[in-house]
This record gives sequence, structure tokens and C-alpha cells, in this order.
Amino acid sequence: EAQVTQNPRYLITVTGKKLTVTCSQNMNHEYMSWYRQDPGLGLRQIYYSMNVEVTDKGDVPEGYKVSRKEKRNFPLILESPSPNQTSLYFCASSLFVGFREPHEQFFGPGTRLTVL
Amino acid sequence: QKEVEQNSGPLSVPEGAIASLNCTYSDRGSQSFFWYRQYSGKSPELIMFIYSNGDKEDGRFTAQLNKASQYVSLLIRDSQPSDSATYLCAALNQAGTALIFGKGTTLSVSS
Repeated sequence: EAQVTQNPRYLITVTGKKLTVTCSQNMNHEYMSWYRQDPGLGLRQIYYSMNVEVTDKGDVPEGYKVSRKEKRNFPLILESPSPNQTSLYFCASSLFVGFREPHEQFFGPGTRLTVL
Repeated sequence: QKEVEQNSGPLSVPEGAIASLNCTYSDRGSQSFFWYRQYSGKSPELIMFIYSNGDKEDGRFTAQLNKASQYVSLLIRDSQPSDSATYLCAALNQAGTALIFGKGTTLSVSS
């Protein structure tokens, strides 16, 4: 089954304790992205990756890191989480052939993170 | 800052009616537009995308795009209670690197 998976689905942690949220897709997609969703603010892009070893900042990258060592995986790293990073996080992936040929972004199930 | 604007709602319609959802965008460089449906606590699911001016129909759904007015809409015909959800409008940025999402419109279909 074609899918994007994320782990963990739920996480409660404390300020300053490093954590990693994993994201994996089995569709051989070049493009992957991380979003956070907050009430009243909608979905905002954190980081994206156009392919292996190619990553770039989105709109809200502060406090996050990513890596893309393999095509299928795109982990999100919070080196020192803070309460303002409490949010619902989504990973997404798609084929990418430029803006004139749009492709669906497939979203993972989401990770609900609470930082105390 | 490139933006996509939607009325937050809630938009309430009776079962069987047509629901009309609207969206405007600020980036004239955006060429492709997406409508996603999101149930509470779940991930967004694509309904359809559109990149040519005019209408695009898929079953009970019709997307409309007017690039001159920077306006996108989604019509849902024969609305069902299962259509009750938040509908997200998104514009692909000019570089093709990001979807810019609106905050979503909540639709409630009463039986």
C-alpha cells in the first residue's frame, strides 16, 4: 500500500530533551516536506527536501533540523524542544516535476507533540 | 508574505444542498491550486487540483479557477453529512517548492 508513515503518533516530552520524529514513504517520491498545524494558524511548512541531500527552509524552520540521507526517509529533529513547539506535525511527499505539472502531496497520519 | 485566504466558517448547509467554498490568493506566480479535506485530528486528503482557468469537475465536486481575480472555489453538490469537515485551499508557490495553505473553512452538513 502506498503510504507515508510517521512515528511516533503521539509524544509528550519535556523542554530541552532532544527528539526525532521519523517519516518514511514507499512511493519513490523525490519531494518531501514537514508541516506543523496550529489552531488559527493553519498548516505551515517547516522544511522541505527536493531529493537526497537537498533540503531547504520553509516558513517556520526555527528550532528544527532535518536530514535526507535516503530517498524514502525524512526525519524531523528537535534539538532542544520548547513549549511553543507543541503542535500537530505532518510529513508529506510527492513526485516533483515543476510547478506546471502539479502532483498530489500525500500526507502522513500526523504526530501530536506536547512539550511541557 | 504569500497568503491564501479562506472564510473560516462554519458554513452550514442542509443535506442535499450545494456547498460553496471560496479562496483567494496573493501570489500571482502561483499556477496550481489544491483543495484538501481534513477531518478533525486526521491528515489532509486531496479532493482535486486545478491549474487552468475555468471549471474542473470530479463527481460531486467542481473546482473553479479565475487567475485574473486570483480566486479559487470548490462546489460540493448533493452535500452529505459525511462531507462535514474542514476544507483547505492551497496554492503551489511559483518555485514549486511549497504548498501555501489557507486556514480552512469548516463545513457542517445537517441531515
